[in-house]
Amino acid sequence: AQKITQTQPGMFVQEKEAVTLDCTYDTSDQSYGLFWYKQPSSGEMIFLIYQGSYDEQNATEGRYSLNFQKARKSANLVISASQLGDSAMYFCAMRSRNSGYSTLTFGKGTMLLVSP
Amino acid sequence: DTEVTQTPKHLVMGMTNKKSLKCEQHMGHRAMYWYKQKAKKPPELMFVYSYEKLSINESVPSRFSPECPNSSLLNLHLHALQPEDSALYLCASSLKGALSGANVLTFGAGSRLTVL
Repeated sequence: AQKITQTQPGMFVQEKEAVTLDCTYDTSDQSYGLFWYKQPSSGEMIFLIYQGSYDEQNATEGRYSLNFQKARKSANLVISASQLGDSAMYFCAMRSRNSGYSTLTFGKGTMLLVSP
Repeated sequence: DTEVTQTPKHLVMGMTNKKSLKCEQHMGHRAMYWYKQKAKKPPELMFVYSYEKLSINESVPSRFSPECPNSSLLNLHLHALQPEDSALYLCASSLKGALSGANVLTFGAGSRLTVL
């Protein structure tokens, strides 16, 4: 069975600083995918970044980067130059094998608050 | 069009009511999903449709009845719900249902359901 662990219920950061949100995972699959989603208070889940298990380079998307350490089974999200609009819940998720279909299993999430 | 549209945004219903949640996408995605999210919890998978066929039912009670009339539309029919069914219901779609690459799930903003 696959498992995603986010150990930080909440994180605080000042505007313009960088922040790292932790995510560890457990899987017996050789091929897997890791995702980060942002959920503002409005409710929509917004896709941020994806890392495939065979990708040699760490994924980057604008201010978001994924620090992928395969041996340690960690996929931490780094947000550089935090903005007030980054305040939201952040979920790490893994692509799960479910009856041959691709679904997502989510961690419990980390609430990020960015202060001025 | 890169959106998943869900209606209504808010719904209040009694335990004897029959109502429906609607989800629409025009991205040509062939897999559609229903997730349920309780407050301060991660989303939990309910159903997956792949090519308009129900592929996964995560042992959801029969008072929730999904329907996929065509590749762009996904409904969730609600009948005789309980107060504990109050939650945010998220619809998502992806290009394919089967395991492959990034296969990013694009989520709608959700329908917030309250059962009295």
